[in-house]
Amino acid sequence: SQTIHQWPATLVQPVGSPLSLECTVEGTSNPNLYWYRQAAGRGLQLLFYSVGIGQISSEVPQNLSASRPQDRQFILSSKKLLLSDSGFYLCAWSATLGLNSPLHFGNGTRLTVT
Amino acid sequence: SQQGEEDPQALSIQEGENATMNCSYKTSINNLQWYRQNSGRGLVHLILIRSNEREKHSGRLRVTLDTSKKSSSLLITASRAADTASYFCATDVGQGAQKLVFGQGTRLTINP
Repeated sequence: SQTIHQWPATLVQPVGSPLSLECTVEGTSNPNLYWYRQAAGRGLQLLFYSVGIGQISSEVPQNLSASRPQDRQFILSSKKLLLSDSGFYLCAWSATLGLNSPLHFGNGTRLTVT
Repeated sequence: SQQGEEDPQALSIQEGENATMNCSYKTSINNLQWYRQNSGRGLVHLILIRSNEREKHSGRLRVTLDTSKKSSSLLITASRAADTASYFCATDVGQGAQKLVFGQGTRLTINP
């Protein structure tokens, strides 16, 4: 069966520090991968998605970046965090061939920038 | 930009009652999905309904889709305290429908 791992679960970082969140998927090949951010009590904002290794689509201009160095690995990064980067970050995957299949989410990373 | 919007934003009912949540969207879709999120956790997929379907059931869940009105509803029958969660609708957008855009969600509270 397929599983998705996302870590860390919580993170407290000072303003201006770098960020690296990692997400890995097991049990499937060539998944679509997604990074979402959720503000407290709000819906999900799509940040990045990837349909293959090295292929990254950015949805929102900001100081975050994403990379997909391996088929089942998706990394969210920042060189210098802002207070506004605080939030709940969710990684997800779906099977290929578009979204006629559901998204499977990790348990998220709660990021607090102080 | 926001594609789907849920209504109401919050709903509080007694255990055993039925809960209905609505979702409206703006552009044409291939499918619409409903997700559930317990506090502080990731989202869990509930139901996917395709644009050529009008109704779908899964256990105590019933989803309807009206593409002419660009709206969907999620009905939870015989609610239980464990159904307390936030519920989101999501629609596929973009070239090749590779992206899923979520609404703001309905926060459902089931009172015992």
